[in-house]
Amino acid sequence: EVQLVESGGRLVKPGESLRLSCAASGFTLNNAWMSWVRQAPGKGLEWVGRVKSVGGTTDNAALVKGRFIILRDDSRNTLYLQMNNLKSDDSAVYYCTTEGYEIGYHALAVWGQGTTVTVSS
Amino acid sequence: QSALTQPASVSGSRGQSITLSCTGTNSDVGGFDYVSWYQHHPGEAPKLIIYHVTNRPSGVSNRFSGSKSGNTASLTISGLQAEDEADYYCGSYSSSSILLFGGGTRVTVL
Repeated sequence: EVQLVESGGRLVKPGESLRLSCAASGFTLNNAWMSWVRQAPGKGLEWVGRVKSVGGTTDNAALVKGRFIILRDDSRNTLYLQMNNLKSDDSAVYYCTTEGYEIGYHALAVWGQGTTVTVSS
Repeated sequence: QSALTQPASVSGSRGQSITLSCTGTNSDVGGFDYVSWYQHHPGEAPKLIIYHVTNRPSGVSNRFSGSKSGNTASLTISGLQAEDEADYYCGSYSSSSILLFGGGTRVTVL
C-alpha cells in the first residue's frame, strides 16, 4: 500500500527555520513526482512546490520561492520541506502528496495526513 | 498567477444534482486537460475524485463527473448524499509549470 507520513510540524517564531519530513512506503520516492500542499487556517489549499522524479529538479510557488527548498533522501525514501525565514502567513497544515504517480499527470492522488506548522511570536 | 475561481458555496437536497464551477484562463484550465477535483472533509486528507477533466480514480463513485468548456471546468455530483457534504477544490496545471487551486466550494446537503 502506498503511504505517506508527514512529521516535524511545531510552533516556531517568525524568522526561524523548520524542516518537515514525509516518509514514503509502498513505492520508491525517486520514481515519482512529489508535491507539497498547504492549508492555512480558514483558507483553501495552496500548492507549495514539487520535486520531479528524474534529476530531482524542483519547482516552487512564487510565495515561497527563495525561502522553501524541497529535498529528497533516496536512501531513506523520505521527502523534506526545508522552510527558512518563516512568516506568520506560513502557518498551515502541510501535506505531501504524489503528483501523477500511477495516475494522470499532475493529479495529486496519494496524500499524507498532514503536519501543522504555527509561526507566532 | 492567481488562484482559480470557484463559488464559495453550493447547496442541494438529497438526491438532487449540483454542479460546481472552476474558472481559470487560457494559461491553465483552458490551456491543458490537467484539471483535477479534490474532496476535503475537515480534519482529513484531501481526496482526488476527478483527474484529467473527466477521469475518476478507482473506487470513486460514478456520481461524480467532470467536464470542461473553454476556461471553465465543472464538477457535477449526482444523487446528492449526506456524505458528499465537504469542501471541493479544483486544481490545474499551468503554463508556468506550477499547480493552481481554486479557493474551494463548500457543499451543503439540505
